[in-house]
Amino acid sequence: QKEVEQNSGPLSVPEGAIASLNCTYSDRGSQSFFWYRQYSGKSPELIMFIYSNGDKEDGRFTAQLNKASQYVSLLIRDSQPSDSATYLCAVIDSSYKLIFGSGTRLLVRP
Amino acid sequence: DTGVSQDPRHKITKRGQNVTFRCDPISEHNRLYWYRQTLGQGPEFLTYFQNEAQLEKSRLLSDRFSAERPKGSFSTLEIQRTEQGDSAMYLCASSPTSGSYNEQFFGPGTRLTVL
Repeated sequence: QKEVEQNSGPLSVPEGAIASLNCTYSDRGSQSFFWYRQYSGKSPELIMFIYSNGDKEDGRFTAQLNKASQYVSLLIRDSQPSDSATYLCAVIDSSYKLIFGSGTRLLVRP
Repeated sequence: DTGVSQDPRHKITKRGQNVTFRCDPISEHNRLYWYRQTLGQGPEFLTYFQNEAQLEKSRLLSDRFSAERPKGSFSTLEIQRTEQGDSAMYLCASSPTSGSYNEQFFGPGTRLTVL
């Protein structure tokens, strides 16, 4: 059974701090990894994807991938109250479907 | 640039009734996916099309569920004889097949409530 694990949270950080969200996955063959943001009652919104070991930066967001340890993380710098949402980690399997974790709820305190 | 659209956005039905949802993918995207999401969980895969061909169905998709994508454009998901356990958000996503890492973009979802 392919699995993606996330801490459900909530992760609470003050405004302006760095929020660090983590995800582990079980399938060593996984190639591509995705972070989605989901506001309450809304659908998931793609933030970033990463496929190579190391870091990938996009604005205030940095995705980090370590295939040897089978973990993916998302760092959000200068966190804003508008970043408060559930962050979903997902991996692509060999038949192109996404396997999601259950999400980590992030709260950014003003 | 229009994104993925879904209709209706909300559906309330009585147990035993049939419902049908529609998804219009991003126009140049060949792949179309259906997922289901319940409260506190991540989306779960239901089925996927490449053009008009349905290539995979999850075991979550019982005999009461059927999906089509005629002509490889929009898709419909029908649930027959709805049960209370079918209450969930039904999400559609699409992705291109070339020059991408299969980034999937989601529509706004259809929230189904079965009374």
